[in-house]
Amino acid sequence: GAVVSQHPSRVICKSGTSVKIECRSLDFQATTMFWYRQFPKQSLMLMATSNEGSKATYEQGVEKDKFLINHASLTLSTLTVTSAHPEDSSFYICSVKGVLAKNIQYFGAGTRLSVL
Amino acid sequence: DQQVKQNSPSLSVQEGRISILNCDYTNSMFDYFLWYKKYPAEGPTFLISISSIKDKNEDGRFTVFLNKSAKHLSLHIVPSQPGDSAVYFCAYSRGGNEKLTFGTGTRLTIIP
Repeated sequence: GAVVSQHPSRVICKSGTSVKIECRSLDFQATTMFWYRQFPKQSLMLMATSNEGSKATYEQGVEKDKFLINHASLTLSTLTVTSAHPEDSSFYICSVKGVLAKNIQYFGAGTRLSVL
Repeated sequence: DQQVKQNSPSLSVQEGRISILNCDYTNSMFDYFLWYKKYPAEGPTFLISISSIKDKNEDGRFTVFLNKSAKHLSLHIVPSQPGDSAVYFCAYSRGGNEKLTFGTGTRLTIIP
């Protein structure tokens, strides 16, 4: 599989501040990374597909100006939650596609965001 | 649009017995189904997948069965171990570049 590192694992911030979450592919170059969100007791929902060197593709209903994605290198994608509000509190997880088995995605450990 | 449902939110199984987790889907447009296991506050861990052209795939204690006529997918874990206690998600993908769409999850508890 792939080794994916996500940082930070937990962040608490005040309403109105911005939070940046990093996702790193440690053992291969990932041209595509994915960002998911999971609310308590719900399933994982794809937010956006992060493409190296180009704009991210956002799912319907996800505000691209609020959730800024930057995939500036083949090993790093960042998700910035801008002007965070309590309703943005959630578990954010990134993933990368497998190299040999491209239908498989490998996930980071996730970031728990709590907005006060 | 494809919907994936896991109708059992929870399941308890005695250690050593077989655990059977189920997943139903609504249409036939998929390339792969995958099963993931998730512990609290961690990312999902890939377990096993099956392509649309197969009806069974086995890897160690894990076997996935695909019944296309019934639009039903199941994961068998045998024998069940305490470390298997987690939330299990089925997910499907269409093509190598497509997103994963996840089911709602089933919490499996293995009773020692």
